[in-house]
Amino acid sequence: GDSVTQMEGPVTLSEEAFLTINCTYTATGYPSLFWYVQYPGEGLQLLLKATKADDKGSNKGFEATYRKETTSFHLEKGSVQVSDSAVYFCALTSDQKVTFGTGTKLQVIP
Amino acid sequence: DTGVSQNPRHKITKRGQNVTFRCDPISEHNRLYWYRQTLGQGPEFLTYFQNEAQLEKSRLLSDRFSAERPKGSFSTLEIQRTEQGDSAMYLCASSKKETSLGNIQYFGAGTRLSVL
Repeated sequence: GDSVTQMEGPVTLSEEAFLTINCTYTATGYPSLFWYVQYPGEGLQLLLKATKADDKGSNKGFEATYRKETTSFHLEKGSVQVSDSAVYFCALTSDQKVTFGTGTKLQVIP
Repeated sequence: DTGVSQNPRHKITKRGQNVTFRCDPISEHNRLYWYRQTLGQGPEFLTYFQNEAQLEKSRLLSDRFSAERPKGSFSTLEIQRTEQGDSAMYLCASSKKETSLGNIQYFGAGTRLSVL
């Protein structure tokens, strides 16, 4: 079945540091890939998406590129802010349901 | 667009009691999904509806769980004879029928269930 593997957290960074959260996937067919973010006490919010190989999703300074050859979709941001502290979920859809990774908690300290 | 709404936000119940959660999707969305999220894990798919039809159920959805969407709008998830292992966050999501942009699901804030 489909699966998503992402790096374990928590990840603690200083403000303005570079962020990478690794994500790899296993899926049949050609999935769409997503990053969702969950702020404390809130629901999941779609952060960015990519629907085919070599697509780059971007939003709020975050980027991720759909790499079919390495089955990866790593999340990056050049300069994190305290307000980016949240749990980040890598996910895919290849049919009607979303398959999520276990989440990576990011803590940004001033 | 008011987003996906879930009620209640928190539910505390005693083992053996029945509980029911409600989800109101985004109004023009015809697909509705239920997920369960336990602490430190990602959400796990439970079931989904297209309009009023329940099209898929995960094996995680035991006989004690039932979901309905009687008029193709809001949905309810009922858990009968709750067990401590049912304690989790129950998430609802909705989407439009498949588009060229992939199946983007919009999530509610969830209902946190605690079974004592």
